[in-house]
Amino acid sequence: EDQVTQSPEALRLQEGESSSLNCSYTVSGLRGLFWYRQDPGKGPEFLFTLYSAGEEKEKERLKATLTKKESFLHITAPKPEDSATYLCAVLRRWNSGGSNYKLTFGKGTLLTVNP
Amino acid sequence: NAGVTQTPKFQVLKTGQSMTLQCAQDMNHEYMSWYRQDPGMGLRLIHYSVGAGITDQGEVPNGYNVSRSTTEDFPLRLLSAAPSQTSVYFCASSRTSGGLYNEQFFGPGTRLTVL
Repeated sequence: EDQVTQSPEALRLQEGESSSLNCSYTVSGLRGLFWYRQDPGKGPEFLFTLYSAGEEKEKERLKATLTKKESFLHITAPKPEDSATYLCAVLRRWNSGGSNYKLTFGKGTLLTVNP
Repeated sequence: NAGVTQTPKFQVLKTGQSMTLQCAQDMNHEYMSWYRQDPGMGLRLIHYSVGAGITDQGEVPNGYNVSRSTTEDFPLRLLSAAPSQTSVYFCASSRTSGGLYNEQFFGPGTRLTVL
C-alpha cells in the first residue's frame, strides 16, 4: 500500500533560520512527487513536481530534492510569510495497464516562522 | 484565467438532505478530481474524471455521485448527507492524469457541515 509520511508534523523557526522538511514514501511506479503549500482556509497551492531521483527544483527561498525513498523541502532564510502547511504527494499508476493514476497525500508539516 | 472555482464556500445541511457542490475550471484540463480533507487524515480522493463523459471512483466514493458532461464542469452530489460527510471538499484539475503536466491545481474549497 502507498505510504507518504511527512516529518516533522510541526516546525517552528525564527526568521532567517534555515531548515528542511522531510517526505518519505513507499510507492511502486512513481510518476511524480509533488509539493504543495496550503494556507489556512484555502486550497493547496502547487509548488514543485519532481520526477526522478537526483532532481532538484528551486523557487525563491524553497528548494525541493528527490531520492528514491524521500524528498526534502529546504527552506533558506525563511520569512514569516512562509508560514503555512506544506503537503507532499506521490503519483503512481492505479490500474494495471490502464491510464488511471492515483495521487496519495501526506498529512503535511505545519511551518510557523516567527519574526 | 479564474483557474478552479468552487461554490458554495460554506454549507450547512441536515442529515438526509441532498446537495450538489459545484466545480468549474477554465484551463481546458482533461483531468478533474474531488478530494475531502479531514483533520489528521490528509487529502483523500473521492471521484475523478479523465475527460468529458468518463468518471471513476476514488478511495472514498460511498455517498457521493459525480458526472462530467463538459470539459469545464465536474459537480459532486451528496445523495443523503450524513454527519460523517462533514469535511472540507476540494476540486482539482490537471492538464493530464499521468503524463507530463500532471500537477493538479486546486480550488478554494467548500466547508460542509452536516448536522
